[in-house]
Amino acid sequence: DQQVKQNSPSLSVQEGRISILNCDYTNSMFDYFLWYKKYPAEGPTFLISISSIKDKNEDGRFTVFLNKSAKHLSLHIVPSQPGDSAVYFCAASNSGGYQKVTFGTGTKLQVIP
Amino acid sequence: KAGVTQTPRYLIKTRGQQVTLSCSPISGHRSVSWYQQTPGQGLQFLFEYFSETQRNKGNFPGRFSGRQFSNSRSEMNVSTLELGDSALYLCASSLEGQTFNEQFFGPGTRLTVL
Repeated sequence: DQQVKQNSPSLSVQEGRISILNCDYTNSMFDYFLWYKKYPAEGPTFLISISSIKDKNEDGRFTVFLNKSAKHLSLHIVPSQPGDSAVYFCAASNSGGYQKVTFGTGTKLQVIP
Repeated sequence: KAGVTQTPRYLIKTRGQQVTLSCSPISGHRSVSWYQQTPGQGLQFLFEYFSETQRNKGNFPGRFSGRQFSNSRSEMNVSTLELGDSALYLCASSLEGQTFNEQFFGPGTRLTVL
């Protein structure tokens, strides 16, 4: 039972354009959402997060949008750079408990120079 | 500050054997979580330890176990290995293990079961 779903396994975007990565979740108890980025042969690194009390959080070129009614979140990268090429994982947790983070299957982003 | 380290980086075992993986968290971090990453499944949560106590556990069989030592270092053990246990095992540490604490991941241990 995949509670966090990333339906696009891969995405290709031209350098300078916007990258939009999508994520859906099914568990209504999730109230804290995160995005991680992973390069080959490295562990994931934290990118940006959002609490369910917000619908948008921005950090430089990265913006995460949360639509609670649709149980959907998205990560926007503007402008996309070749160094952004990596696998992006969406993750979710319940702030009522300790760290038990549920990850999606990942989307491989390729930014073409 | 040194990052999260995991040893060994690569491991090859045969079915039926057991394996122990090690994780050293960032200094000062008391929470350690373990994840299994396989193609198509993403990262699956195994368990989380804090102050030598397992606080959370994922949906894995009892063959998967772990422990944490007083210095916060953690080990994960898999007994009676199966082919399906081949995966990248990731360890992550955070300050207190609260939801809002950022997790820092190690590079992982690549386990291959033949």
